[in-house]
Amino acid sequence: EDKVVQSPLSLVVHEGDTVTLNCSYEVTNFRSLLWYKQEKKAPTFLFMLTSSGIEKKSGRLSSILDKKELFSILNITATQTGDSAVYLCAVEAGNNNDMRFGAGTRLTVKP
Amino acid sequence: EPEVTQTPSHQVTQMGQEVILRCVPISNHLYFYWYRQILGQKVEFLVSFYNNEISEKSEIFDDQFSVERPDGSNFTLKIRSTKLEDSAMYFCATHRDFVKNIQYFGAGTRLSVL
Repeated sequence: EDKVVQSPLSLVVHEGDTVTLNCSYEVTNFRSLLWYKQEKKAPTFLFMLTSSGIEKKSGRLSSILDKKELFSILNITATQTGDSAVYLCAVEAGNNNDMRFGAGTRLTVKP
Repeated sequence: EPEVTQTPSHQVTQMGQEVILRCVPISNHLYFYWYRQILGQKVEFLVSFYNNEISEKSEIFDDQFSVERPDGSNFTLKIRSTKLEDSAMYFCATHRDFVKNIQYFGAGTRLSVL
């Protein structure tokens, strides 16, 4: 059975802190790993990772994939209160593009 | 920026009633998905749809559920006889093709079954 496990489940930090969110997976026929940010409703796309060791960056966010150890991390530097959200990791596997989601990490950034 | 549109935003229904949730995909997208998220739980895959047929479905997607694209624009999820445990947020997601396969999500429909 495909598994996507995120840790921690919840994290509280103060503005300016750096956080690292983890996602490990066990799936058949891995295709890609995606990170989404979910604030109030719809998950919004952050990154898609398909190759090991290549860091993707967008502003203060960055992410990297390790296909040998089957995990990915999402880093957020200099956190702001607007970063407060649930961060979802999803893995595309098998022959289709349907995704399996982890439970999410709820990040709370306090002023 | 193009977006996936879902209607209604909130649907309240009685147990046993049929509901239809609607999604208008981004215009050049060809792959469509439904996911659900029960309050406080993780996002779960329901079904994927391409070329007017189901590509894959999960164990959740039983005979009570069906999908179709009746008019070439709307993509619908029908639940034939709703149960209390169908109460959840239902998300539609779409992507363009097999290569450009980042899924973009709609804002969701909150289904409340009473």
